Amino acid sequence: DQQVKQNSPSLSVQEGRISILNCDYTNSMFDYFLWYKKYPAEGPTFLISISSIKDKNEDGRFTVFLNKSAKHLSLHIVPSQPGDSAVYFCAASARETGANNLFFGTGTRLTVIP
Amino acid sequence: DAGVTQSPTHLIKTRGQQVTLRCSPKSGHDTVSWYQQALGQGPQFIFQYYEEEERQRGNFPDRFSGHQFPNYSSELNVNALLLGDSALYLCASSLFGGGRDYGYTFGSGTRLTVV
Repeated sequence: DQQVKQNSPSLSVQEGRISILNCDYTNSMFDYFLWYKKYPAEGPTFLISISSIKDKNEDGRFTVFLNKSAKHLSLHIVPSQPGDSAVYFCAASARETGANNLFFGTGTRLTVIP
Repeated sequence: DAGVTQSPTHLIKTRGQQVTLRCSPKSGHDTVSWYQQALGQGPQFIFQYYEEEERQRGNFPDRFSGHQFPNYSSELNVNALLLGDSALYLCASSLFGGGRDYGYTFGSGTRLTVV
C-alpha cells in the first residue's frame, strides 16, 4: 500500500526553466512533508520540508507547495541547473503514528539539459 | 566533517545466512534509523535507535534486529536471509526528535544481494 506516490518516474527540463515535481499522498494523518535529492552512489540528501500548518515554504531556488485538501504537494526549482539532475524523493510522516517513520515515494528522476 | 558512514558498501550472501551491517552516525547526532530501499522503490523505514533502545519500528519481521552502541554507532542484523531481502540498506542519523524538522543525514548505503 503506497501511501506516498510520485507518478512521474522522470522529468526533463531545459537549464534556466522551472522544474515542477509532484507528489500525492493518501494518509490524512501525515502532518510533515520532506523532499530529498539523491545522486547515484550517494545517500538521499535533505532538501526542504513543510509542515501541514503551512501551504508554502521557500529556500532559495526551491519552493514546496502543499495542498492539503487535494493531498498534493509539489517542489518547484527555479531556475533549474544541470547540477540539479538527480532523483527526487517525496517523504511524509505523521506525528501521531510515529514521527520518525518517513514514508517515501518511488522518486522522480530529474534531468536538466544544458 | 564526517557524515554517516556505512560498511560494507557491497555484500553478497546466500539464502538462509545471517548478515550484519554497520553504521556510524554523523558527528553530533545521537539517533540512528535504518531504511530498506528495494530496486525502483523509495526507502522503507525499518526501525530507529536512540539511547541504545529501539524506539520505533516499521512493518518488518523479527528477522530484522538492531543494536546501538554507547558511541551512537549502530548495527542492523538480518537472520534467515530471503531473496527478497536483496536491497540497498540506508542508515540515517539525526538528533533525537530532530529528523522531521531538519531532515535526516543519510549514508550511501550497503548494497545487499542474496543469492
